Amino acid sequence: ETGVTQTPRHLVMGMTNKKSLKCEQHLGHNAMYWYKQSAKKPLELMFVYSLEERVENNSVPSRFSPECPNSSHLFLHLHTLQPEDSALYLCASSQGGDRGALGYGYTFGSGTRLTVV
Amino acid sequence: AQKITQTQPGMFVQEKEAVTLDCTYDTSDQSYGLFWYKQPSSGEMIFLIYQGSYDEQNATEGRYSLNFQKARKSANLVISASQLGDSAMYFCAMRGRLYTGKLIFGQGTTLQVKP
Repeated sequence: ETGVTQTPRHLVMGMTNKKSLKCEQHLGHNAMYWYKQSAKKPLELMFVYSLEERVENNSVPSRFSPECPNSSHLFLHLHTLQPEDSALYLCASSQGGDRGALGYGYTFGSGTRLTVV
Repeated sequence: AQKITQTQPGMFVQEKEAVTLDCTYDTSDQSYGLFWYKQPSSGEMIFLIYQGSYDEQNATEGRYSLNFQKARKSANLVISASQLGDSAMYFCAMRGRLYTGKLIFGQGTTLQVKP
């Protein structure tokens, strides 16, 4: 399997549930990212992991908790979410760490479409 | 700060015609990279084309070309011979050195190709 794989593709959860989103890349990249894409809004960068260390957290509420156990896997743990957290969550990876060569774009997964009810 | 602006929320084009999607950017970096991504309704972001700030020639990838005008800080995407499968959301993005090298995106342009 190649590229960036995200599971599940769709998720519906209640506000009191706990769930996790999973991202896996088989590209040998060493930086991974979580983005949130809400309707009619630009993509918002949530978290950056470079060489398995979190290097950026863009003021994301604590109900979102990322985990990067190794350079190939990234998780986003969710708990007590709000309806406004409903969005498409995209995972991406890149070569050379988060400060890699500028020509290295990001490779994205297909996203998890999350609905909070 | 870095910023990407796409001023066309939606565009229509007739099949087989060419279309230009606008992108302007603002950065204080001297060295940066510009990208275009396509997002079909399935959600995946698909890389289309890259232009480096020091590249003298405009980038081309098949039917995609990037009209890079550095002095105007614009990086427009040109799609030639549009196909029905080109209907999607298109995002312009930039990666610079100054702000941790992260990729930042514009608001996107929805392109619809008419048969």
